[in-house]
Amino acid sequence: DTGVSQDPRHKITKRGQNVTFRCDPISEHNRLYWYRQTLGQGPEFLTYFQNEAQLEKSRLLSDRFSAERPKGSFSTLEIQRTEQGDSAMYLCASSPGQGLGTDTQYFGPGTRLTVL
Amino acid sequence: GENVEQHPSTLSVQEGDSAVIKCTYSDSASNYFPWYKQELGKRPQLIIDIRSNVGEKKDQRIAVTLNKTAKHFSLHITETQPEDSAVYFCAASTRGNNRLAFGKGNQVVVIP
Repeated sequence: DTGVSQDPRHKITKRGQNVTFRCDPISEHNRLYWYRQTLGQGPEFLTYFQNEAQLEKSRLLSDRFSAERPKGSFSTLEIQRTEQGDSAMYLCASSPGQGLGTDTQYFGPGTRLTVL
Repeated sequence: GENVEQHPSTLSVQEGDSAVIKCTYSDSASNYFPWYKQELGKRPQLIIDIRSNVGEKKDQRIAVTLNKTAKHFSLHITETQPEDSAVYFCAASTRGNNRLAFGKGNQVVVIP
C-alpha cells in the first residue's frame, strides 16, 4: 500500500493518560499535515511540517499536544493528560510540496481516539 | 482565517439525476479548492480540485466550477449512481499557508 498510513486505527484511553499516534506519509512527500475531525464536522487543521520543520500550528493545538517529524519521514502526534473533549478522529495527510500538484493533500485512514 | 460554508447539508437525488453542491469562502486570497468524498468510517478521498486560474474542470461524471468574484465554487455530479452516496467536503487554501479550511460537509443520498 503506497498511500498514507496511520497507527493505531483505534485507541481507547482513560482521561489523564498520554497517547501517541503515528503517521507514515506517501513516499517522497515532504509535507505532512495533522487534522482533527469530530462527528458531523469537516476536518480541522492542527499543524503542518515541511520535511522535519514544523511550520504552522493551529490555536486548536493546546500545550498538551505535541507533534514531531524527526527525520522528515514519519510523524508522531502526542496528547498528554487526555480529556474527554479530545475524543475525535485524528487524520494525517501528505502532499508532494513541490512540482505539479504541490498542495494536493492525500489523507490517511485516521486514528479514532476515545477518551473515557 | 478562511471560513468555508456548504449548502445544502443533505441532498437526496434519484439515481441518474444530477447533484449540485455549493460552497462559499471568505478569503479572497484563497487559490486552491479541492473536493473530498468520505464514506462512513473511511478516509477523505480527493475526487477533484481546481485552482484559481481556472474557471471549470471536469473529470468524467464530476465537474467543479469556480466563481472568484462571488467567492463560491460548486461540485456537479451527473448521472448519479448509488455508490456516489457519501459525505462530500469542500475546502479552500491559500498558497503559502497550506492549511485546508473545510466546510461541514454535505450528505448526498442517491435513491435507486
